[in-house]
Amino acid sequence: EDKVVQSPLSLVVHEGDTVTLNCSYEVTNFRSLLWYKQEKKAPTFLFMLTSSGIEKKSGRLSSILDKKELFSILNITATQTGDSAVYLCAVEAATGRRALTFGSGTRLQVQP
Amino acid sequence: ETGVTQSPTHLIKTRGQQVTLRCSSQSGHNTVSWYQQALGQGPQFIFQYYREEENGRGNFPPRFSGLQFPNYSSELNVNALELDDSALYLCASSPAATGSITGANVLTFGAGSRLTVL
Repeated sequence: EDKVVQSPLSLVVHEGDTVTLNCSYEVTNFRSLLWYKQEKKAPTFLFMLTSSGIEKKSGRLSSILDKKELFSILNITATQTGDSAVYLCAVEAATGRRALTFGSGTRLQVQP
Repeated sequence: ETGVTQSPTHLIKTRGQQVTLRCSSQSGHNTVSWYQQALGQGPQFIFQYYREEENGRGNFPPRFSGLQFPNYSSELNVNALELDDSALYLCASSPAATGSITGANVLTFGAGSRLTVL
């Protein structure tokens, strides 16, 4: 059974801090790992990672995948209050369907 | 281009009742998936529909059923509601039934329907 574990479960930081969110996974026949941000209801897509060691970057957010050790990290630099959200990590197996297995998420709260 | 829209946004039912949730996929998307997200948990895959057929199912009982229509919109039906069915139900659409390493067809989620079962 595919499995995703995220840590920490929750995190409180101050504006300007840098945070690192962790995601470890077990999946049969790995296709991709994805990060989503969930502020109110709809998860919004951040990154998709398929290859080890290649950093994906978007503004202050970046992510990298280690397929040997089966984990990924999501970094946020110079955090802002607008970064407060639940960050979800998910894996997709290479099957004939689009079924993502999600972790429980990391709840990030950025205080002014 | 419109995104994924779901209705209703909130609803309250009692145990044993039946509920139907609706989803309109993003323009150009032919595949719809449904997820259940309990409070404090990540979304769990219920099932996926492609070309009006169920194309994969998660670990959910048969009282969870669905439909996809020719315009690619979809319904999720839950019979004999139980208290544990209280959750946010998310619909997601994509332009293809299978994933891609190019990232061209990642899932786009709607805002969900919050179901409370009393």
